[in-house]
Amino acid sequence: EPEVTQTPSHQVTQMGQEVILRCVPISNHLYFYWYRQILGQKVEFLVSFYNNEISEKSEIFDDQFSVERPDGSNFTLKIRSTKLEDSAMYFCASSEAIGDRGEQYFGPGTRLTVT
Amino acid sequence: GENVEQHPSTLSVQEGDSAVIKCTYSDSASNYFPWYKQELGKRPQLIIDIRSNVGEKKDQRIAVTLNKTAKHFSLHITETQPEDSAVYFCAAIPAGGKLIFGQGTELSVKP
Repeated sequence: EPEVTQTPSHQVTQMGQEVILRCVPISNHLYFYWYRQILGQKVEFLVSFYNNEISEKSEIFDDQFSVERPDGSNFTLKIRSTKLEDSAMYFCASSEAIGDRGEQYFGPGTRLTVT
Repeated sequence: GENVEQHPSTLSVQEGDSAVIKCTYSDSASNYFPWYKQELGKRPQLIIDIRSNVGEKKDQRIAVTLNKTAKHFSLHITETQPEDSAVYFCAAIPAGGKLIFGQGTELSVKP
């Protein structure tokens, strides 16, 4: 069964550094998402992406964040200048369709630790 | 925007008992309500979902009910087993497609 994959599984970085988190969505899916989960808390929406542009973003997704689909398979989340509060698990998800027609499937996550 | 509230935050049951987790949502435009199971350190996994045009859906030991008028939906797990122990999240999708999650319920099934 196809799965969403993410790399790396764990990233440790110093405050102020740039990080890029990578995702490979399920191949026939058209909609891509990033979510984050701070330890012990609920999963929070960051951004959705369709047709090579951002569809929607949350207030968490400020100017320090960007997303890109650099080729036909990868979907990346970049944080330009990391802060301590960016430490969280970041999940990529993808769906074949939008809304109630598209179940979202999650990747295994990247644990980001900012020191 | 949409807000999803989930109760209880923790739930402990004996193996074989039933477990019920309840969620409420605020946006009447939401029309899709998935439930995810998350084991420690793992990804959220979709276990069941319900769309707003039905009131109940069942899959083996798991069932979901939806009351659109009251804006609440529930997850029912019957004949619980130790491997059901995990954190369960309800979610809603308002217009646009993003998932809005509840706070999670940590279910512990004691053998």
